[in-house]
Amino acid sequence: AQTVTQSQPEMSVQEAETVTLSCTYDTSESNYYLFWYKQPPSRQMILVIRQEAYKQQNATENRFSVNFQKAAKSFSLKISDSQLGDTAMYFCAFILYGSYQLTFGKGTKLSVIP
Amino acid sequence: NAGVMQNPRHLVRRRGQEARLRCSPMKGHSHVYWYRQLPEEGLKFMVYLQKENIIDESGMPKERFSAEFPKEGPSILRIQQVVRGDSAAYFCASSPPRQGHTEAFFGQGTRLTVV
Repeated sequence: AQTVTQSQPEMSVQEAETVTLSCTYDTSESNYYLFWYKQPPSRQMILVIRQEAYKQQNATENRFSVNFQKAAKSFSLKISDSQLGDTAMYFCAFILYGSYQLTFGKGTKLSVIP
Repeated sequence: NAGVMQNPRHLVRRRGQEARLRCSPMKGHSHVYWYRQLPEEGLKFMVYLQKENIIDESGMPKERFSAEFPKEGPSILRIQQVVRGDSAAYFCASSPPRQGHTEAFFGQGTRLTVV
């Protein structure tokens, strides 16, 4: 079975600064996808960024980027120029290629401080 | 193109009552997934449905829980004889055929409170 671990229950960052959220996972498979989801107080689950395991290049989406280390099974999220609207729970998730069951970590609560 | 619509947003039930949660997928999406989020936890997979078919219900509790996705109308997650431990946020996601979760979108969830 696959597992996803987020070791930082809570983090805070000053507005306009950079913060990195950690995620590690465990699988014996080689083809999979990794995701970061944002859950603001509205509770909506919003896809932030997605990484295909076969791609060596790290995914980026505007201020959001990942550091994907396949051998280390690590998938961290970097948020640059943090904004107040980034305050939310952030969940790391994993899915095997061809599967349909997402496995989520327990989340990291990020607070952006003005 | 409206997103995934879940209703109600909040649902309060007394112990022993039935809870019905509805999910209307995005237009063109024929695959629906239900997840449950307990307090301080990530989402946990419950069931995967296609139109009129349950594909995988391995995450569903064996008793009291059922799900359907009829040919017409929304997907329904039904919880019979609710207990306090059923209090959670229930999320639905939908995806187009053959794309799976790589192209799935989540609804805003239904928060069920059992009193």
